Amino acid sequence: QSVLTQPPSASGTPGQRVTISCSGSSSNIGSSTVNWYQQLPGTAPKLLIYSNYQRPSGVPARFSGSKSGTSASLAISGLQSEDEADYYCAAGDDSLHGPVFGGGTKLTVL
Amino acid sequence: QVHLQQWGAGLLKPSETLSLSCVVYGDSFIDYRWSWIRQSPGKGLEWIGEINHSGSTNYNPSLNSRVTISVDTSKNHFSLKLSSVTAADTAVYYCARGFDILTGAFDYWGQGALVTVSS
Repeated sequence: QSVLTQPPSASGTPGQRVTISCSGSSSNIGSSTVNWYQQLPGTAPKLLIYSNYQRPSGVPARFSGSKSGTSASLAISGLQSEDEADYYCAAGDDSLHGPVFGGGTKLTVL
Repeated sequence: QVHLQQWGAGLLKPSETLSLSCVVYGDSFIDYRWSWIRQSPGKGLEWIGEINHSGSTNYNPSLNSRVTISVDTSKNHFSLKLSSVTAADTAVYYCARGFDILTGAFDYWGQGALVTVSS
């Protein structure tokens, strides 16, 4: 059972815009910035978004993040087949003094 | 460019001690904190703990009594030991570089190591 709550699955067709939600509480998302990871099968997670909406160098602008209160969202526009992957959110947690993660959302490109 | 390479034993019996190592290639070792993170089907991603170049550590309270993370700065190398393992410790273990560990921002990861605990 993960501390942050994500929908287990999401889907979209090529070119569509898809959003993935991440819900937490005042002790984590409500008091921290949020990061997002993309994980392709058999590989380590890759940092996709940090500090709520910042993109590391090399991450396409199609990926965007936002946060409001105790929830955050990852949006992927212009969906492509290579976006099919698992996506995880992460945030700091006051009680842990470290990060907690969401359970992951499996994105399927139909 | 930063590259993390990890290694360690993959099959353990209950009550044994898990031991993994990670070497960092690149010139940023003293500027960052270095974490261990694991991923299991049942519990998803879980932060285990972190260390800096001088040996200052922070551990996940849920694992604190069993975890030791150590560092050898001369070799750009850090290690994880987890004692008294059970089947619940079966997971893929990753080492990672944190540029904001408190919020879970890890920008470089090792390739991962599957550790299975079974009698």
